[in-house]
Amino acid sequence: AQSVAQPEDQVNVAEGNPLTVKCTYSVSGNPYLFWYVQYPNRGLQFLLKYITGDNLVKGSYGFEAEFNKSQTSFHLKKPSALVSDSALYFCAVRDVGGSSASKIIFGSGTRLSIRP
Amino acid sequence: NAGVTQTPKFQVLKTGQSMTLQCAQDMNHNSMYWYRQDPGMGLRLIYYSASEGTTDKGEVPNGYNVSRLNKREFSLRLESAAPSQTSVYFCASRSSSNPGHSLRGGNTIYFGEGSWLTVV
Repeated sequence: AQSVAQPEDQVNVAEGNPLTVKCTYSVSGNPYLFWYVQYPNRGLQFLLKYITGDNLVKGSYGFEAEFNKSQTSFHLKKPSALVSDSALYFCAVRDVGGSSASKIIFGSGTRLSIRP
Repeated sequence: NAGVTQTPKFQVLKTGQSMTLQCAQDMNHNSMYWYRQDPGMGLRLIYYSASEGTTDKGEVPNGYNVSRLNKREFSLRLESAAPSQTSVYFCASRSSSNPGHSLRGGNTIYFGEGSWLTVV
Protein backbone atom coordinates (compact mmCIF):
# COMPACT_ATOMS: atom_id res chain seq x y z
CA ALA A 1 0.00 0.00 0.00
CA GLN A 2 1.21 3.49 -0.73
CA SER A 3 1.96 5.99 2.00
CA VAL A 4 3.31 9.49 2.33
CA ALA A 5 4.99 11.21 5.25
CA GLN A 6 5.50 14.85 6.05
CA PRO A 7 7.85 14.72 9.03
CA GLU A 8 7.45 18.36 10.08
CA ASP A 9 4.19 19.65 11.49
CA GLN A 10 5.43 23.22 11.18
CA VAL A 11 8.18 25.06 9.34
CA ASN A 12 9.15 28.60 10.30
CA VAL A 13 11.15 30.76 7.91
CA ALA A 14 12.04 34.44 7.72
CA GLU A 15 10.81 36.34 4.69
CA GLY A 16 13.39 36.35 1.92
CA ASN A 17 15.05 33.15 3.08
CA PRO A 18 14.81 29.87 1.18
CA LEU A 19 12.25 27.35 2.38
CA THR A 20 11.96 23.58 2.21
CA VAL A 21 8.95 21.46 3.12
CA LYS A 22 9.80 17.78 3.30
CA CYS A 23 7.90 14.81 1.89
CA THR A 24 8.80 11.13 1.63
CA TYR A 25 6.71 8.40 0.08
CA SER A 26 6.37 4.65 -0.28
CA VAL A 27 4.87 2.89 -3.31
CA SER A 28 5.03 -0.55 -4.86
CA GLY A 29 5.08 0.74 -8.42
CA ASN A 30 5.87 4.11 -9.92
CA PRO A 31 4.81 7.26 -8.09
CA TYR A 32 2.92 10.25 -9.30
CA LEU A 33 3.61 12.98 -6.73
CA PHE A 34 1.75 16.18 -5.97
CA TRP A 35 1.93 19.28 -3.79
CA TYR A 36 -1.16 21.19 -2.73
CA VAL A 37 -1.64 24.33 -0.63
CA GLN A 38 -4.57 25.19 1.60
CA TYR A 39 -5.45 28.64 2.87
CA PRO A 40 -7.74 29.04 5.92
CA ASN A 41 -11.27 27.74 5.45
CA ARG A 42 -10.67 26.89 1.81
CA GLY A 43 -10.22 23.86 -0.35
CA LEU A 44 -6.89 22.66 -1.66
CA GLN A 45 -5.14 24.36 -4.55
CA PHE A 46 -2.77 22.56 -6.88
CA LEU A 47 0.89 23.69 -6.83
CA LEU A 48 2.78 21.16 -8.94
CA LYS A 49 3.19 17.50 -9.79
CA TYR A 50 5.82 14.99 -10.84
CA ILE A 51 4.70 12.40 -13.36
CA THR A 52 7.79 11.59 -15.38
CA GLY A 53 10.79 13.32 -16.92
CA ASP A 54 12.94 15.94 -15.22
CA ASN A 55 13.39 15.39 -11.51
CA LEU A 56 13.06 19.11 -10.81
CA VAL A 57 9.54 20.34 -11.45
CA LYS A 58 8.42 23.94 -11.32
CA GLY A 59 5.03 24.98 -10.07
CA SER A 60 2.83 27.91 -9.21
CA TYR A 61 3.89 30.94 -7.12
CA GLY A 62 7.61 30.26 -7.63
CA PHE A 63 7.58 26.86 -5.92
CA GLU A 64 9.53 23.89 -7.18
CA ALA A 65 10.04 20.32 -6.04
CA GLU A 66 12.72 17.74 -6.60
CA PHE A 67 11.92 14.08 -7.13
CA ASN A 68 14.60 11.84 -5.65
CA LYS A 69 13.91 8.18 -6.39
CA SER A 70 16.76 6.76 -4.31
CA GLN A 71 15.64 8.67 -1.22
CA THR A 72 11.93 8.32 -2.09
CA SER A 73 11.50 12.03 -1.46
CA PHE A 74 9.70 14.93 -3.10
CA HIS A 75 10.63 18.04 -1.12
CA LEU A 76 8.96 21.36 -1.89
CA LYS A 77 11.26 24.38 -2.18
CA LYS A 78 11.24 28.06 -2.85
CA PRO A 79 14.36 30.26 -3.12
CA SER A 80 12.88 33.30 -1.37
CA ALA A 81 9.89 33.02 0.96
CA LEU A 82 7.04 35.54 1.08
CA VAL A 83 4.72 36.23 4.01
CA SER A 84 1.86 35.33 1.67
CA ASP A 85 3.29 31.78 1.38
CA SER A 86 2.10 31.10 4.94
CA ALA A 87 -0.41 28.27 4.63
CA LEU A 88 -0.88 24.53 5.07
CA TYR A 89 0.94 22.37 2.53
CA PHE A 90 0.09 18.81 1.57
CA CYS A 91 2.10 16.22 -0.31
CA ALA A 92 0.22 13.41 -2.09
CA VAL A 93 1.12 10.22 -3.95
CA ARG A 94 -0.57 8.00 -6.47
CA ASP A 95 0.87 4.51 -6.96
CA VAL A 96 0.29 3.98 -10.68
CA GLY A 97 1.93 0.57 -10.65
CA GLY A 98 0.04 -0.74 -7.65
CA SER A 99 -3.20 -2.69 -7.40
CA SER A 100 -5.19 0.48 -6.69
CA ALA A 101 -3.85 2.77 -9.37
CA SER A 102 -6.47 5.48 -8.93
CA LYS A 103 -5.98 5.79 -5.19
CA ILE A 104 -4.39 9.06 -4.06
CA ILE A 105 -3.08 9.38 -0.52
CA PHE A 106 -2.21 12.65 1.21
CA GLY A 107 0.23 13.40 3.97
CA SER A 108 -0.66 14.92 7.31
CA GLY A 109 0.27 18.42 6.17
CA THR A 110 2.95 20.95 7.11
CA ARG A 111 2.08 24.40 8.33
CA LEU A 112 4.42 26.94 6.80
CA SER A 113 4.82 30.21 8.69
CA ILE A 114 6.79 33.05 7.14
CA ARG A 115 7.73 35.87 9.50
CA PRO A 116 8.30 39.39 8.16
CA ASN B 1 -16.77 26.91 -14.99
CA ALA B 2 -17.99 25.50 -11.65
CA GLY B 3 -15.39 22.72 -11.25
CA VAL B 4 -16.21 20.56 -8.22
CA THR B 5 -19.33 21.54 -6.30
CA GLN B 6 -20.28 20.00 -2.97
CA THR B 7 -23.29 20.56 -0.75
CA PRO B 8 -24.13 21.37 1.94
CA LYS B 9 -21.34 23.66 3.09
CA PHE B 10 -22.32 23.44 6.75
CA GLN B 11 -24.39 20.88 8.61
CA VAL B 12 -25.07 20.02 12.24
CA LEU B 13 -26.38 16.54 12.95
CA LYS B 14 -27.49 14.75 16.07
CA THR B 15 -25.88 11.42 16.88
CA GLY B 16 -27.68 8.67 15.00
CA GLN B 17 -29.08 10.87 12.26
CA SER B 18 -28.30 10.17 8.64
CA MET B 19 -27.33 12.51 5.85
CA THR B 20 -25.83 12.59 2.39
CA LEU B 21 -23.12 14.89 1.12
CA GLN B 22 -23.51 15.63 -2.54
CA CYS B 23 -20.70 16.21 -5.01
CA ALA B 24 -20.76 17.02 -8.69
CA GLN B 25 -18.07 17.87 -11.22
CA ASP B 26 -18.50 19.38 -14.65
CA MET B 27 -15.05 18.55 -16.04
CA ASN B 28 -15.90 15.11 -17.46
CA HIS B 29 -13.44 13.43 -15.07
CA ASN B 30 -13.49 9.68 -14.62
CA SER B 31 -12.15 9.50 -11.05
CA MET B 32 -13.74 11.04 -7.98
CA TYR B 33 -12.78 11.02 -4.30
CA TRP B 34 -14.06 11.78 -0.81
CA TYR B 35 -11.62 12.87 1.89
CA ARG B 36 -12.01 14.01 5.46
CA GLN B 37 -9.70 16.53 7.11
CA ASP B 38 -9.05 16.55 10.82
CA PRO B 39 -6.48 18.63 12.77
CA GLY B 40 -3.11 16.88 12.82
CA MET B 41 -4.37 14.04 10.63
CA GLY B 42 -4.18 15.70 7.26
CA LEU B 43 -6.47 14.47 4.52
CA ARG B 44 -7.62 10.87 4.78
CA LEU B 45 -9.26 9.06 1.90
CA ILE B 46 -12.71 7.68 2.70
CA TYR B 47 -13.81 6.23 -0.63
CA TYR B 48 -12.97 6.74 -4.26
CA SER B 49 -14.43 5.90 -7.63
CA ALA B 50 -12.01 5.19 -10.45
CA SER B 51 -14.77 5.37 -13.03
CA GLU B 52 -18.53 5.44 -13.36
CA GLY B 53 -19.98 2.27 -11.85
CA THR B 54 -17.05 1.48 -9.56
CA THR B 55 -16.27 2.42 -5.97
CA ASP B 56 -13.46 1.38 -3.65
CA LYS B 57 -12.63 1.80 0.00
CA GLY B 58 -9.95 4.23 1.04
CA GLU B 59 -8.11 4.57 4.34
CA VAL B 60 -11.09 5.27 6.63
CA PRO B 61 -14.31 3.86 5.08
CA ASN B 62 -16.06 2.65 8.24
CA GLY B 63 -19.34 4.43 8.92
CA TYR B 64 -19.71 5.70 5.35
CA ASN B 65 -21.25 4.59 2.08
CA VAL B 66 -20.89 6.09 -1.37
CA SER B 67 -22.78 6.12 -4.64
CA ARG B 68 -21.38 7.01 -8.03
CA LEU B 69 -24.69 8.04 -9.48
CA ASN B 70 -23.31 8.88 -12.91
CA LYS B 71 -20.07 10.27 -14.27
CA ARG B 72 -20.75 13.70 -12.78
CA GLU B 73 -21.96 12.83 -9.29
CA PHE B 74 -20.43 11.04 -6.31
CA SER B 75 -22.31 11.15 -3.02
CA LEU B 76 -21.18 10.27 0.50
CA ARG B 77 -23.69 8.96 3.03
CA LEU B 78 -23.50 8.76 6.79
CA GLU B 79 -26.11 6.21 7.83
CA SER B 80 -25.87 6.79 11.58
CA ALA B 81 -23.73 9.79 12.40
CA ALA B 82 -21.31 9.66 15.33
CA PRO B 83 -19.37 12.49 17.02
CA SER B 84 -16.15 10.95 15.62
CA GLN B 85 -17.42 11.89 12.16
CA THR B 86 -17.25 15.59 12.98
CA SER B 87 -14.87 16.80 10.31
CA VAL B 88 -14.42 18.79 7.15
CA TYR B 89 -15.21 16.72 4.08
CA PHE B 90 -13.71 17.36 0.68
CA CYS B 91 -14.79 15.96 -2.63
CA ALA B 92 -12.29 15.84 -5.48
CA SER B 93 -12.05 14.71 -9.07
CA ARG B 94 -9.09 13.83 -11.24
CA SER B 95 -8.44 14.51 -14.89
CA SER B 96 -7.41 11.85 -17.36
CA SER B 97 -4.42 9.58 -17.33
CA ASN B 98 -2.60 11.72 -19.87
CA PRO B 99 0.40 12.81 -17.77
CA GLY B 100 0.33 16.41 -18.90
CA HIS B 101 2.63 19.24 -17.96
CA SER B 102 3.86 19.70 -14.41
CA LEU B 103 1.60 22.74 -14.06
CA ARG B 104 -1.53 21.62 -15.83
CA GLY B 105 -3.14 18.88 -17.83
CA GLY B 106 -3.72 15.31 -16.91
CA ASN B 107 -3.66 13.77 -13.45
CA THR B 108 -4.36 17.03 -11.63
CA ILE B 109 -6.79 16.64 -8.73
CA TYR B 110 -9.41 19.34 -8.31
CA PHE B 111 -11.08 19.91 -4.95
CA GLY B 112 -14.40 21.29 -3.85
CA GLU B 113 -14.59 23.99 -1.19
CA GLY B 114 -15.40 21.57 1.62
CA SER B 115 -18.35 20.66 3.82
CA TRP B 116 -18.15 21.36 7.56
CA LEU B 117 -20.02 18.65 9.45
CA THR B 118 -20.60 18.68 13.20
CA VAL B 119 -22.18 15.72 14.98
CA VAL B 120 -23.46 16.48 18.48
